[in-house]
Amino acid sequence: DSGVTQTPKHLITATGQRVTLRCSPRSGDLSVYWYQQSLDQGLQFLIQYYNGEERAKGNILERFSAQQFPDLHSELNLSSLELGDSALYFCASSGVAGWYNEQFFGPGTRLTVL
Amino acid sequence: LAKTTQPISMDSYEGQEVNITCSHNNIATNDYITWYQQFPSQGPRFIIQGYKTKVTNEVASLFIPADRKSSTLSLPRVSLSDTAVYYCLVEVVGADGLTFGKGTHLIIQP
Repeated sequence: DSGVTQTPKHLITATGQRVTLRCSPRSGDLSVYWYQQSLDQGLQFLIQYYNGEERAKGNILERFSAQQFPDLHSELNLSSLELGDSALYFCASSGVAGWYNEQFFGPGTRLTVL
Repeated sequence: LAKTTQPISMDSYEGQEVNITCSHNNIATNDYITWYQQFPSQGPRFIIQGYKTKVTNEVASLFIPADRKSSTLSLPRVSLSDTAVYYCLVEVVGADGLTFGKGTHLIIQP
């Protein structure tokens, strides 16, 4: 158990819809990262938040957005969903303790867009 | 240009030592070498990290030659539960998003 929690575990929705994925980082971790893993693209970094502020952006689509709240939990919002958005979405967190570049990944949310 | 190159897949038997080599010819002075393990439908898990020479922990060893253009992850006495995808990453300290390549699919047979 990494200490990172994600909800929901599974999500099935239709094209054009909007969903929100939630992540709670490990206790004390200020950084939250979102990743997407699909069969064709592999594991890709989407976005990072640090203590409530956006810190880095990766391959995140304009239809996707995220935020980190004062209690440090984070939400990833996916809108105008397309079939190709079906993937595993992982949240990770990191903090002062631990190795450089050690990120603790949650169990993921499997999104299926029909 | 990919930062790392590693075998697509490998297989071995229980009880054997497995070595997975990763090439990173363009590694920069500020880069660290990190390995992650991922089981199906689970998030990646940090295994080990190093800058040069040899690093050992309770699950693996990491060998890095002096030129740092490659590294080898060594898993001693593997078991069936070591079947997973292993990713080699080259990142600066405090990297924001991690860059995962294709990884090496390691299959351990009885």
